Amino acid sequence: GAVVSQHPSWVICKSGTSVKIECRSLDFQATTMFWYRQFPKQSLMLMATSNEGSKATYEQGVEKDKFLINHASLTLSTLTVTSAHPEDSSFYICSAREGVDQPQHFGDGTRLSIL
Amino acid sequence: RKEVEQDPGPFNVPEGATVAFNCTYSNSASQSFFWYRQDCRKEPKLLMSVYSSGNEDGRFTAQLNRASQYISLLIRDSKLSDSATYLCVVNRARSGGGADGLTFGKGTHLIIQP
Repeated sequence: GAVVSQHPSWVICKSGTSVKIECRSLDFQATTMFWYRQFPKQSLMLMATSNEGSKATYEQGVEKDKFLINHASLTLSTLTVTSAHPEDSSFYICSAREGVDQPQHFGDGTRLSIL
Repeated sequence: RKEVEQDPGPFNVPEGATVAFNCTYSNSASQSFFWYRQDCRKEPKLLMSVYSSGNEDGRFTAQLNRASQYISLLIRDSKLSDSATYLCVVNRARSGGGADGLTFGKGTHLIIQP
């Protein structure tokens, strides 16, 4: 089946650091990639939708200047959490799909802990 | 009303039992429906898509009732390995080319007991 690789799996860093998370589709071309966030005992919440070669579309309440998304190729999207603070600590998961109305396939997720 | 609502459980059932999960969604224009499974501290994995005609995959059967905006999942002959959180997922309707993405329910926690 479709494989989506996310890296790193977990990050622990100091407050104020910027953290970059990569999401790669390994065996298909992902026209659209999505970034989600999941706080403990909460559902996954969509942060932004990214189409290759276009600017990302952010959900209401998600700061685009804080969560920088780049989708420069059909197999790679990156999320950079700039100047991360403890409240940004969460489980960040990307997903990718090949076409409209196709299922999304998820990466392994990144556990981000900001001290 | 939440976009996607599920009974959080937990459902504690004995191995071999049949268990059913329900889910309701609020956006009548939603177009695609899925059940995902999420193990503790892991990413969600697609279990099956849900079609209007109903569909079956081995021990799993999914049903969709668009009129009632209701989705169900039936697991027969449950196994210990079925213990997980089951997420009802709806692909939000797109309008004007705007953003789309999956809307997740909070999930129903299933525990299969030996």
